[in-house]
Amino acid sequence: DAGVTQSPTHLIKTRGQQVTLRCSPKSGHDTVSWYQQALGQGPQFIFQYYEEEERQRGNFPDRFSGHQFPNYSSELNVNALLLGDSALYLCASSLFHRYYEQYFGPGTRLTVT
Amino acid sequence: QKEVEQNSGPLSVPEGAIASLNCTYSDRGSQSFFWYRQYSGKSPELIMSIYSNGDKEDGRFTAQLNKASQYVSLLIRDSQPSDSATYLCAVPSGNTPLVFGKGTRLSVIA
Repeated sequence: DAGVTQSPTHLIKTRGQQVTLRCSPKSGHDTVSWYQQALGQGPQFIFQYYEEEERQRGNFPDRFSGHQFPNYSSELNVNALLLGDSALYLCASSLFHRYYEQYFGPGTRLTVT
Repeated sequence: QKEVEQNSGPLSVPEGAIASLNCTYSDRGSQSFFWYRQYSGKSPELIMSIYSNGDKEDGRFTAQLNKASQYVSLLIRDSQPSDSATYLCAVPSGNTPLVFGKGTRLSVIA
């Protein structure tokens, strides 16, 4: 049973650049949520995608955008990177009707210098 | 946004003891509650879910829920050094699928 996968594992970017992170959900899941986890903090919800549409969004600026593809995989894009965007970015998948039971991928560690 | 509060720890317990982790939440409408375990440098792993008042047991883990007090706890019996990790409490709230606490760091001393 394939779990949630994310790529890349690590990424180093410079302030002002743009980054794209990728996620494939657990087999059978149709909903993808993205979270940002700063060091020493719990994950913070960014947004959730279902049927290729953004369904819910947390308190993140428009620099954070996403996409979901017909095969349920998803991308997170961050524009105009700031030093404060350095964090672990987590993708979680679920079934839409049980959206709260979320299974996390291994994460992408983004460092902005 | 509704809040989830946890003591950040560290909570240190000797091997074989019971570890007790606590969480309070502010959204009275919450109906489901989750505990995640996160090892250092890894992603959160779902270990327990609880939906109704009372206790739910799964192996060495017991989740306890008291909706009137807005309180959920996780007990780990016969704690092992491999249980050393950060434990995150998470609650769905409003438009947010999961609101997480900051986590409690548990250290089991051999």
